[in-house]
Amino acid sequence: GQNIDQPTEMTATEGAIVQINCTYQTSGFNGLFWYQQHAGEAPTFLSYNVLDGLEEKGRFSSFLSRSKGYSYLLLKELQMKDSASYLCAGMDSNYQLIWGAGTKLIIKP
Amino acid sequence: DVKVTQSSRYLVKRTGEKVFLECVQDMDHENMFWYRQDPGLGLRLIYFSYDVKMKEKGDIPEGYSVSREKKERFSLILESASTNQTSMYLCASSSGTGEIGELFFGEGSRLTVL
Repeated sequence: GQNIDQPTEMTATEGAIVQINCTYQTSGFNGLFWYQQHAGEAPTFLSYNVLDGLEEKGRFSSFLSRSKGYSYLLLKELQMKDSASYLCAGMDSNYQLIWGAGTKLIIKP
Repeated sequence: DVKVTQSSRYLVKRTGEKVFLECVQDMDHENMFWYRQDPGLGLRLIYFSYDVKMKEKGDIPEGYSVSREKKERFSLILESASTNQTSMYLCASSSGTGEIGELFFGEGSRLTVL
């Protein structure tokens, strides 16, 4: 079956670094997406990885290892506004997205 | 600024009522999607559409139907609402093949069925 696993909740301190992990099992693979969703708001696109390696975009970076079925989202210099849920989604061979349940990130001062 | 607009943020309906959820996008996107989001679960795809008049079933289409008469508008219909359809409904659109590319989501419609 197809499955996306990510931690339910994480806590980090303002100014620190946090890594949110995601493991995936999909029928075929056409990339891995990360979205951010603030409480009561729409998810917004953060990153897309289809090749192995690290992609950096400002304070946020996303990593992919296709051989391990593993990705992580790295958030640096955490700010209070980074408190949100982070959704991991894998795209299968039919270009359908398989979504994880999301990781709720709590930032403490 | 790109935008996906859902007609109602909050709805309360009674069991058996017909419910319409409207979604409009202003980006000329070919692809439109309806998801539901429930606590502890990933987004689940209800229906999607790659073109006007076209519709495809997602993972959980039972109890739902859709309509896409115009490119910019994708409607979700609950023919006879039931309590297990209480949920947050998210509409999204994208350009490109399938779901490739960035998904743009609406703010969501929180439906409560009593």
